[in-house]
Amino acid sequence: KQEVTQIPAALSVPEGENLVLNCSFTDSAIYNLQWFRQDPGKGLTSLLLIQSSQREQTSGRLNASLDKSSGRSTLYIAASQPGDSATYLCAVPYGNNRLAFGKGNQVVVIP
Amino acid sequence: DGGITQSPKYLFRKEGQNVTLSCEQNLNHDAMYWYRQDPGQGLRLIYYSQIVNDFQKGDIAEGYSVSREKKESFPLTVTSAQKNPTAFYLCASSPQGFGQPQHFGDGTRLSIL
Repeated sequence: KQEVTQIPAALSVPEGENLVLNCSFTDSAIYNLQWFRQDPGKGLTSLLLIQSSQREQTSGRLNASLDKSSGRSTLYIAASQPGDSATYLCAVPYGNNRLAFGKGNQVVVIP
Repeated sequence: DGGITQSPKYLFRKEGQNVTLSCEQNLNHDAMYWYRQDPGQGLRLIYYSQIVNDFQKGDIAEGYSVSREKKESFPLTVTSAQKNPTAFYLCASSPQGFGQPQHFGDGTRLSIL
């Protein structure tokens, strides 16, 4: 079974700093990897989906990189804002079209 | 606007009672999923359905039941056999096919009275 780990579980940064969030997975034979954002008491919003053939995927201030050989993906958020405060989760598909989720990185951006 | 609607947003269950959580989607997706989220635990898969009239158990199906009679609907019943039902429940859907992105509803928070 695919295991997904996100470290650190929680972090705080001052506004304007770049955020770096890490996601690692045990089985490097992934099809793709999806990054989500979750606000308190809300569902998950998809941010980026990066295919196994891609090294990077960008959307605005967000950039996700993927290194399959080392089993890692990194989400970069440039020039963080208080509105970026949320929990960020990564997930990879496995088995019968199921998703293995990490437990998330809880981010607080301090004004 | 296409999306996934979960209702109610908050639900309270009495001891020995079954409760049903609603999930409706108008994205024309074939696959639907139910997850449970507990603090510090991440998302755990309860049940999923790849097509109408078919569904499979996930990792924590005990104490739960589902039906999939219509493509757009996938209700989850939390039975009295589920001894620790207090959690945040999330429904998702995706197009058919491995690795298709999942889209999520806003969740239902279930508590015990």
